[in-house]
Amino acid sequence: NAGVTQTPKFQVLKTGQSMTLQCAQDMNHEYMSWYRQDPGMGLRLIHYSVGAGITDQGEVPNGYNVSRSTTEDFPLRLLSAAPSQTSVYFCASSHLSGRAGETQYFGPGTRLLVL
Amino acid sequence: AQSVTQLDSQVPVFEEAPVELRCNYSSSVSVYLFWYVQYPNQGLQLLLKYLSGSTLVKGINGFEAEFNKSQTSFHLRKPSVHISDTAEYFCAVSDRNKAAGNKLTFGGGTRVLVKP
Repeated sequence: NAGVTQTPKFQVLKTGQSMTLQCAQDMNHEYMSWYRQDPGMGLRLIHYSVGAGITDQGEVPNGYNVSRSTTEDFPLRLLSAAPSQTSVYFCASSHLSGRAGETQYFGPGTRLLVL
Repeated sequence: AQSVTQLDSQVPVFEEAPVELRCNYSSSVSVYLFWYVQYPNQGLQLLLKYLSGSTLVKGINGFEAEFNKSQTSFHLRKPSVHISDTAEYFCAVSDRNKAAGNKLTFGGGTRVLVKP
C-alpha cells in the first residue's frame, strides 16, 4: 500500500493564482482531511470529509475549497492564492468507525510558497 | 471547543538522557488524547493514544504518556533518548462524540534536539 500520497511536494505561486493540491489514499478510509502547518501553531484543520459527496469546514476554511467525488481522492483548491496561505499542507485519512479516536494517517505534505 | 498547550517549544537533551514533553488541554467535553511525531521533512505518525482504561499508555519507540484527568494533562516521556528521536512532537485531542468525526485539535509542537 502507498498509504496517503500528496502532489506536488513543493509549489511556488504568485498572488492571485489558483491551484489544486492533490491527495489520494489506498486504504479505503472513509474519513479524509486537510491541515495546514505553521510555525508555533501546530496543525489546523481546513476541511474534512466523512465520505464521498460529504464535506465540511474545519477551523480555517476561508480561501479553500474541497470536493470528494471518490473514496480515494480529496483535492484541496486555492481559488486565489494569498501570501497568508504560505504554509505546509498535510492530508490525512482514517477509518470512521462507531466512535472517534481512530488513528490518522498523514501524507508527506506539500510545501506552498505564495509570493 | 478545545485547546491544547504544549509548554515547551524546544527541548534540547543529551543522548541517553530522559526527556519529558508537557501537554495540557482544555475542553468542555470528554476527549481522546494523542501524541504524534514528525521526523524532518516527513508527515506525522502516531506515537500513542489514550482512549480509555489505564492512564499510562505505552507507544512505539519506547515512549509512554500518562493521562491525568484532574490536571488535564497528557505528558510524554522517554527514559533514554537516541539521536534518532530528534523530531517535532505534537499533542492532540479529539472529541469523544462520534458525530464530531475524527477532527484533531493540535498543540503548537515541541522540537526535540538530541545531542551526542
